[in-house]
Parts: sequence; structure tokens; C-alpha cells
Amino acid sequence: QVHLVQSGAEVKKPGASVKISCAASGFDFSAYSLHWVRQAPGHRLEWLGWIHAGNGNTRYSQNFQGRVTITRDTSTTSTYMDLTSLRSEDTAIYYCARAILHTWGFYYFDSWGQGTLVTVSS
Amino acid sequence: DVQMTQSPSSLSASVGDRVTITCRASQTISSYLTWYHQKPGKAPKLLIYGASSLQTGVPSRFSGSRSGTNFTLTISSLQPEDFATYYCQQSYIIPITFGQGTRLEI
Repeated sequence: QVHLVQSGAEVKKPGASVKISCAASGFDFSAYSLHWVRQAPGHRLEWLGWIHAGNGNTRYSQNFQGRVTITRDTSTTSTYMDLTSLRSEDTAIYYCARAILHTWGFYYFDSWGQGTLVTVSS
Repeated sequence: DVQMTQSPSSLSASVGDRVTITCRASQTISSYLTWYHQKPGKAPKLLIYGASSLQTGVPSRFSGSRSGTNFTLTISSLQPEDFATYYCQQSYIIPITFGQGTRLEI
């Protein structure tokens, strides 16, 4: 059974950085890409980027370019999302999600972590 | 970015009703459209991918269709556990984008 377990809630001051972990189990970690999506209060879901757990290749949303870094550790089958220069608008629940690559060439998310609340406040 | 627009933004319905939610893409996304629903305090749950393919384990009362850049999610007979917020998502063009959500309530 696929499990994605994320680290706990964080409270950060503006300008700080946050690093969230997502521990994966129940599947061949290296065969999948892991994506990060956030949900700010009153806003739609927003995609941040992904990492292929096997080769470590990454792709980020231009909306976060330069502020987000996604890494993975194959020894612990975990992925990490690092967001820098935090501002109040970054207050959100952050999710990791396992992506399925359809034979047509598109991704959809079949399993999600439980979410990590990041609060940015002075 | 591809803009995804859902309608309605909220919808009141009753158990047993047939419900339809629409998602319109700002440009062609082929059939690279996924539907999720989300209950308060929980992560989104996959319902349909590829516009019309039902995820394993999802009840057959859920169905999806496509007409050009317009996509529809239909619930044939609402059950109590279906009251949630529904989101569409496109992954045809990076960045992956989501609709604003449709809140389905009693």
C-alpha cells in the first residue's frame, strides 16, 4: 500500500526558509516522480514542481523559480521541498503527491501525503 | 499558463440527485484532464484521469467526458460521502494547473 508521510507543521518568519519532507513507502520509489502542490487559504491548488526519484531530474513552476528546490534521498525513499524567501502569501498547506505517467504522456496524482501546514508570520 | 475555469463555484444538491460539474480550459489540453475531490482537512483524492477513465476503486456513479476544451464530471446519484470540493487539473502544459474548485454541499 502506497504511503506518503510528511513532516509536521512549521511556523516561519518572513524572509526565512522552510524544508518539508515526504517519506514514501509501499512502492518502487525510483520508478516514479514526486510532485509538490500547495493550497493557500481561499486559493486553488497550485503546483510547485517535481522530481523524478530515479534520476533526480527536476522541473519547477516559473512562479516559484529560484525559490523552490526539490530533492530526494533514495536511501530513505524521501523527497524534500525547500522554499526560500518566505512571505505571508506562502502560508499554505503543502502536499507531496506520487505521479502516474500515463501512456499518453501526461501526469496525474494517485496518492497524496497528508499535507504540511506552513505559516509565515512575523 | 493554461487557465482552468470550473462552473459552478458552488452547488447545492440532495442525496440521489444527478450532478454535473464543468471545467473549461483556456486552450487545448487534449484529454489530459484529471478530476479530484477533497474533503475538509484531507488531501485530494483521485477520481478520473484522461478525462474519462475511472480510477480503480472509485464508484461507477462518477463519470467524465470531454468536448473540445470543455470537460464534465457527472455524479449519477449523489451519496452522502460525495459532498466535497471537486477540482479539475490539466497536465498538458507545464505548469500543471488546477481549477478553482466546485463546492458540492447539501
